[in-house]
Parts: sequence; structure tokens; C-alpha cells
Amino acid sequence: AQSVTQLDSQVPVFEEAPVELRCNYSSSVSVYLFWYVQYPNQGLQLLLKYLSGSTLVKGINGFEAEFNKSQTSFHLRKPSVHISDTAEYFCAVRGSGAGSYQLTFGKGTKLSVIP
Amino acid sequence: GAGVSQSPRYKVAKRGQDVALRCDPISGHVSLFWYQQALGQGPEFLTYFQNEAQLDKSGLPSDRFFAERPEGSVSTLKIQRTQQEDSAVYLCASSPPRLAGGQDTQYFGPGTRLTVL
Repeated sequence: AQSVTQLDSQVPVFEEAPVELRCNYSSSVSVYLFWYVQYPNQGLQLLLKYLSGSTLVKGINGFEAEFNKSQTSFHLRKPSVHISDTAEYFCAVRGSGAGSYQLTFGKGTKLSVIP
Repeated sequence: GAGVSQSPRYKVAKRGQDVALRCDPISGHVSLFWYQQALGQGPEFLTYFQNEAQLDKSGLPSDRFFAERPEGSVSTLKIQRTQQEDSAVYLCASSPPRLAGGQDTQYFGPGTRLTVL
């Protein structure tokens, strides 16, 4: 079984400032890691994912995340946020084995970009 | 269509009514998932289909919840005798076949917001 902790429920940040949204996970097996974004009244859109290889993963809209196995973290970063980045962000984990399929999500972090 | 679609987008039900929520996955996607997202929470897994076979229903909260995918495409989540605690957004997701690659990514629909009065 896996679990995900998103340490911050809300993060306000000024436009053009950098942001980091934190995610820690717990698992007894190797995992795949994901970040999804949810805009109001919309479904989840995949931002980026880590499956294997380079621990620094680049996604859409200028976001990137770094997988740190020793710290069991997968923090999401963007060097300069825009108003349009205001949304809720979910970190998710899934076992990497062939029989693993369900995603386990954190509770989400609401990012508010202040003009 | 280009993405996963769900209908209705919004549903209001009186306590005790039955509801049916529909999901149209991306064409060719063999895996289909249902998740429940309560207010202020992340999505939680309900059930998983591979084609028409329901391989995992461990997340269904009670026997009032039932899901089907009879022809391996469209899926319906049915909730009988709805209760107030069933109020949530119900999300559907699909994934392509493993051989086609990208099977690790689940593509989500917009969800159905169910409100039980």
C-alpha cells in the first residue's frame, strides 16, 4: 500500500515568483510518481510523471519535479508563476509492478497566484 | 472524442433515490477507473475495469455502489438509495493498452458532481 502527504494545503505566491509544492510518499515497493493539476470545475490534467531514469522530470507549463528516493519526496517547482497557474495540484503514487494500477492521491495543494 | 467524457456533469438527488453516472473513455483505452473525490480531498479509488472485466472493486464504499462496463467501452457507476455522504465528484479515467505504451498514465474526465439532499 502507498500513501501521499502534501504538506501544504494552500500556497499563496506573487506573480513571477518561484514556487515549490511539496509531496512526500510512503511505499514498501518501487513506485511511479505523478503530479496532476485541477482547474475549477474540471477534471485532472497530467503535469508530469516519473517512471524511471533521470530524477529531474520536466512537464507542461514550465513545471518540473525532482524524485528523491532517499527522502521519499517528489516536490513540484516552477521558477516563475503566472496568474493562470492558479489551481489545485495533486501528487499521486502508483506501484511500478505489472499488477499495480490504482493511483493514490494526496489531499491537494491550492496554489493562488497574486497579481 | 478527444478525451474522456462524463455525463451528467451535475446531478442533484433526493436521499434514497438511485442515480446512474456515465463514462465514455478515450477510444481504444482498455483500462477504466472510477474515483470518488469528496470536498477538499484528493480522489480515492473506487473500481477498475480491464475491457469488460471488473478486476478490482475494493474501493466501492458499500454494496449500494455498483459499476459495469458490459461491452468494454462505456461504463456506468450506479448508486442505489443515495445518502448524503455520497455527495462528491465522481471521476472516471482511462488508460491505453500496455502494448501501445503510455499505460502508466490515466486520463481523467471532467467528473460528475453529485449532491444528495
